[in-house]
Formats: sequence, C-alpha cells, structure tokens
Amino acid sequence: GAVVSQHPSWVICKSGTSVKIECRSLDFQATTMFWYRQFPKQSLMLMATSNEGSKATYEQGVEKDKFLINHASLTLSTLTVTSAHPEDSSFYICSARNVGGTGKGFDEKLFFGSGTQLSVL
Amino acid sequence: GNSVTQMEGPVTLSEEAFLTINCTYTATGYPSLFWYVQYPGEGLQLLLKATKADDKGSNKGFEATYRKETTSFHLEKGSVQVSDSAVYFCALTLSGNTPLVFGKGTRLSVIA
Repeated sequence: GAVVSQHPSWVICKSGTSVKIECRSLDFQATTMFWYRQFPKQSLMLMATSNEGSKATYEQGVEKDKFLINHASLTLSTLTVTSAHPEDSSFYICSARNVGGTGKGFDEKLFFGSGTQLSVL
Repeated sequence: GNSVTQMEGPVTLSEEAFLTINCTYTATGYPSLFWYVQYPGEGLQLLLKATKADDKGSNKGFEATYRKETTSFHLEKGSVQVSDSAVYFCALTLSGNTPLVFGKGTRLSVIA
C-alpha cells in the first residue's frame, strides 16, 4: 500500500535554532500534503495545506514566517520551524493525498506519516 | 465550527474485555465520519468509516455506527487483544476537498 515517510521521528533542539521535518510519499505522487500539530492532550490541529509548486495555505493563527513549508516536488514536502521556542514543542504529523489512487473515497487516498515529536529546550 | 470530542484516555483493558471509545461531533453540514488508528511507531491508518446516518463501519472486529440524532460515532469491539494497543482518533470531513478534523485521540492499552 501507499507509504508516507516522515523524518525525523523525534528531535530535541535548543531554543532559537531551526528544525526541518520532511514528509515523503514513497510510492505515489502527492500534489497536496497536510501538516498537523498536536499539543499534549489536545486534538490534531491542521496547520497548513501544502500544494506542489505553489505557496502553502495556512490556517488561522499559524505564523507562516515561523513555519515554513516547501513542496517543491510531487513526493516531498518540508516543514521548517524557524527560531524554535519551547512553546513550539509538539507532535507534528503530515499526510499526503494520492491523486493517482484507485480508491474513490476521500479517505482511500489519504495517507499519514508516523509523526515527529519536537522538544525545544 | 466543526469539531470532534472523544473520551479522554488512557484506557487500560484486560485481553478479551469489551471496548467502547466515545466520539461526538459538531458540524456545519453533513459530515463523513472516520476512526483512525496509530500503532506505535507508525502513521495513522484508516480503521473504519461511515458516510451517512445509520451506516455502520466495521473492520478488524471494530464497529462504529453513524448516529445523526445523537451526533455520535462510538467505537466498539467485543473482545480486545494485546495487538489492539494503539492510539485511536475519531475524525470528520465535510467533503473530499476539505481536511480532516480530528479528536484528541484515545490511547488504549490492552494487557494480557
């Protein structure tokens, strides 16, 4: 089945540094990828929708200059947390939509990475 | 707005016990409802779904029925196994072009 690879699985960094998280669709092309964030005991919240070859669409309250999203190819989207602070510590997870999938349902074309736990000291 | 509320975890059960994880939703339209499961170290996987009222989704012994009158989609399994230990997420979407809206997730631990 379709696989989405997300790296790293966890990262610890110092305050003020930048962290890049990669999301790759391994065996399909994804024109759209979604980035979610989950704080402890909270819901998975959509941060942004990443579209290949164009600017990402950010949800209200998400700083686009802080969370840089690049979707330069049909198989790779990256999320860079710039000048990270302890309040950015969270679980980040990506999902990719397989436009070439044979399934008809929305859900049959959507696949998730395993997530990245970010801890900022 | 659209939101999903699911019961707080963690839930710890003995093997072969009955499982219920409650999920209720609010939506501005007529949503499709999903349960996703995340096993340790893996990505979220679709477990089951229902797209209209009274539909029952089922998979791997899990079931959930779309109850429009109570705006609920509770997950049930008659006899859990250790291998069911995972985090379960209830979610909804209003259309194929809109992102999923998730609940907080419920961690299930099944002990032998």
